[in-house]
Amino acid sequence: DAGVIQSPRHEVTEMGQEVTLRCKPISGHDYLFWYRQTMMRGLELLIYFNNNVPIDDSGMPEDRFSAKMPNASFSTLKIQPSEPRDSAVYFCASSSTDRLGADTQYFGPGTRLTVL
Amino acid sequence: DAKTTQPPSMDCAEGRAANLPCNHSTISGNEYVYWYRQIHSQGPQYIIHGLKNNETNEMASLIITEDRKSSTLILPHATLRDTAVYYCIVRASTQGGSEKLVFGKGTKLTVNP
Repeated sequence: DAGVIQSPRHEVTEMGQEVTLRCKPISGHDYLFWYRQTMMRGLELLIYFNNNVPIDDSGMPEDRFSAKMPNASFSTLKIQPSEPRDSAVYFCASSSTDRLGADTQYFGPGTRLTVL
Repeated sequence: DAKTTQPPSMDCAEGRAANLPCNHSTISGNEYVYWYRQIHSQGPQYIIHGLKNNETNEMASLIITEDRKSSTLILPHATLRDTAVYYCIVRASTQGGSEKLVFGKGTKLTVNP
């Protein structure tokens, strides 16, 4: 398996532009997570999906952020309009749970976003 | 908020065992202890998890105290490639469900030649 795939790996954009980050989870995983990492705040969970349905979006910073999972093999995180403070590394992770409810999250390589 | 306390940094000599401690004094009976690590510029990587018993896999060993209030991750023969930030996370796992992983600041392990 290729693991979790994210694109693009790097994105540089100007303030006010729309940014779309993409993620392909590991086949067969039923959970998908979006995280953001900055030096100041560390690694934060933004939103997660189970079977393509958003379960908890309490970590999404504000209405400028939205995430979708139209099918089991694809998810997007969109920022519109982008601001310099959105500059961060965005990670996607996927997992499935075992019979005891424990899971292992597999992370993608991340998208480094720079908003000028 | 993270429910764990870890030292901010540790050093280890290459080839020696690295023992990374974690305190989780408020852990609940249904909470697992997970360890992840993040090598510079990469995504976090799962290492190991456990509930009550000690666990071992190809990467590491996890020793959980009997009262479950603390644990130690052991890398038996550390290499330079083990230099990373190591995160200890406690998290409840419900049957058929998934709970959030809350990452704290972790321990920055530096393996020296």
